[in-house]
Amino acid sequence: AQSVTQLDSQVPVFEEAPVELRCNYSSSVSVYLFWYVQYPNQGLQLLLKYLSGSTLVESINGFEAEFNKSQTSFHLRKPSVHISDTAEYFCAVSDPRGSGYNKLIFGAGTRLAVHP
Amino acid sequence: NAGVTQTPKFRVLKTGQSMTLLCAQDMNHEYMYWYRQDPGMGLRLIHYSVGEGTTAKGEVPDGYNVSRLKKQNFLLGLESAAPSQTSVYFCASSRTNTEAFFGQGTRLTVV
Repeated sequence: AQSVTQLDSQVPVFEEAPVELRCNYSSSVSVYLFWYVQYPNQGLQLLLKYLSGSTLVESINGFEAEFNKSQTSFHLRKPSVHISDTAEYFCAVSDPRGSGYNKLIFGAGTRLAVHP
Repeated sequence: NAGVTQTPKFRVLKTGQSMTLLCAQDMNHEYMYWYRQDPGMGLRLIHYSVGEGTTAKGEVPDGYNVSRLKKQNFLLGLESAAPSQTSVYFCASSRTNTEAFFGQGTRLTVV
């Protein structure tokens, strides 16, 4: 069985400071890894994903995440956050085997609060 | 460019009442999913469908039923609502196992 642990439920940070949101997973097989973002009163949007290849993946708005197989981690980082990054961030895994559907296993979420 | 649309957006039910949540997607996706989101627990899969006319149980299926009579629609039913079903419900759809698109959510309160 797969599971996802997000180590921080809340992360307060000042604007323009760096941030790291931590995610560890447990799985006996290879996984696909995802970070989703949920802005207040909205649905989830895909931020970035790791499927294979380069272990460092980037989003269009400055976030990056690095897949570390030995540590079973997929931490999300941004060197300088903005007020608009305030949201809840979810790490998720799925099993790449199977028939093509995408059953996601989510972590509990990390609420990022960016203060001026 | 609607994507995934959920109806209704908010609902208050009394214990024992029934209701159906509707999810519609216009992307011709084969796969559809219903999740519930609870504080401190992330999202958990209730039921999913791998194609028209097929459904399967997810992680927390008890108390819910689903139907996929048309490819673009996935219905989630509560036959006899309980306070434990107070939650935010999200529908999602996907073409492959590499990405999923989510609706805006339905906030359900059972009193």
